Amino acid sequence: DIQMTQSPSSLSASVGDRVTITCRPSQSISSYLNWYQQKPGKAPKLLIYAASSLQSGVPSRFSGSGSGTDFTLTISSLQPEDFATYYCQQSYSTLCTFGQGTKLEIK
Amino acid sequence: QVQVVQSGAEVKKPGASVKVSCKASGYTFTSNAMHWVRQAPGQRLEWMGWINAGNGNTRYSQKFQGRVTITRDTSASTAYMELSSLRSEDTAVYYCAREDGGGGMDVWGQGTTVTVSS
Repeated sequence: DIQMTQSPSSLSASVGDRVTITCRPSQSISSYLNWYQQKPGKAPKLLIYAASSLQSGVPSRFSGSGSGTDFTLTISSLQPEDFATYYCQQSYSTLCTFGQGTKLEIK
Repeated sequence: QVQVVQSGAEVKKPGASVKVSCKASGYTFTSNAMHWVRQAPGQRLEWMGWINAGNGNTRYSQKFQGRVTITRDTSASTAYMELSSLRSEDTAVYYCAREDGGGGMDVWGQGTTVTVSS
């Protein structure tokens, strides 16, 4: 299986901050990388697919970049509703895998 | 609107099996794959497997191989996930999620809580 490593595991930030989360797969996955946001007690929500494509309805402050073995999710200006846990997921292999998650907390 | 609705919470004893359903509506069921993902309390998302709803082909995580079976009923636009030989560590919320054309899981069910307890 392809292992997905996110960093950091947790992050404290303030409203208005620019935040970057990194995801590194154990092998190259081209651009087959997706990002999700999950709030407590809720199902995950797709934010970014194919590394950099913004899912319909997702605010433009979210952006994704990268390919191969190095990917980033950036939130350009944090809003109160963005405090949540973020997961990356590879769809390169027919055996999907998720990262361990990055919990974004209010400073 | 496009949605997937899961069956209700289950309580099972160790060694038993559980079968969770996921009914799709608002789109052509056979046009998209359906994934199953679980999340134990306070833990990360864990991918279990998926089914091609069109031809019924499946792939399973090696962790669950031999214990999980994913099926579908195209006439009912419903996917199913059955997990056998349950143990306490299988206590989790189980989600189904539709895969969209871009490879991401764009529509998620509300989750089904499965509790395994003697």
